[in-house]
Amino acid sequence: NAGVTQTPKFRILKIGQSMTLQCTQDMNHNYMYWYRQDPGMGLKLIYYSVGAGITDKGEVPNGYNVSRSTTEDFPLRLELAAPSQTSVYFCASSGQVNEQYFGPGTRLTVT
Amino acid sequence: GQQVMQIPQYQHVQEGEDFTTYCNSSTTLSNIQWYKQRPGGHPVFLIQLVKSGEVKKQKRLTFQFGEAKKNSSLHITATQTTDVGTYFCAGQWGAQKLVFGQGTRLTINP
Repeated sequence: NAGVTQTPKFRILKIGQSMTLQCTQDMNHNYMYWYRQDPGMGLKLIYYSVGAGITDKGEVPNGYNVSRSTTEDFPLRLELAAPSQTSVYFCASSGQVNEQYFGPGTRLTVT
Repeated sequence: GQQVMQIPQYQHVQEGEDFTTYCNSSTTLSNIQWYKQRPGGHPVFLIQLVKSGEVKKQKRLTFQFGEAKKNSSLHITATQTTDVGTYFCAGQWGAQKLVFGQGTRLTINP
């Protein structure tokens, strides 16, 4: 199993550009999450999904959108990137046991 | 919203010394999880505590959940350089999503 994979690993965006961060898991987990981690800080939940076709907002959803058309994929869309969205983005998934498995992260810089 | 406060924010120890990080909630938790994040890496699940007063051990790591289920601690005995990283607690209240603490960054002088 590859676990949770994320692409790209790094990205630099100009202010106002858009992009999609990809996340895929091969563990057949129903629950998937997107977090952002600012330097020296904890993880803030952006969006989550409890299954295909179902998504909900987390703590910091503004400026982001998600979709969940399949169990495996949970892409995060950034529209009109702003410097405040410079962060490391982690995707995670969990099954019935509740522990979360994290992907390697995407380091995004908006300049 | 619900929060978990984690202290200290940073801890520097000599190799071989013990280390403890604490996590507190103002309200009763359903469960608490602990994660470790190595520098430049991603969080990795360590353990979940569910029962009041629960104590679990993993080699040199001891995890405790308070009797009131409002606080938790992670204690590392005789630290090694492989213990370097940031340790996060994450609390859950009922069916709500996990809320992560700010983490304790551990550095070790070999």
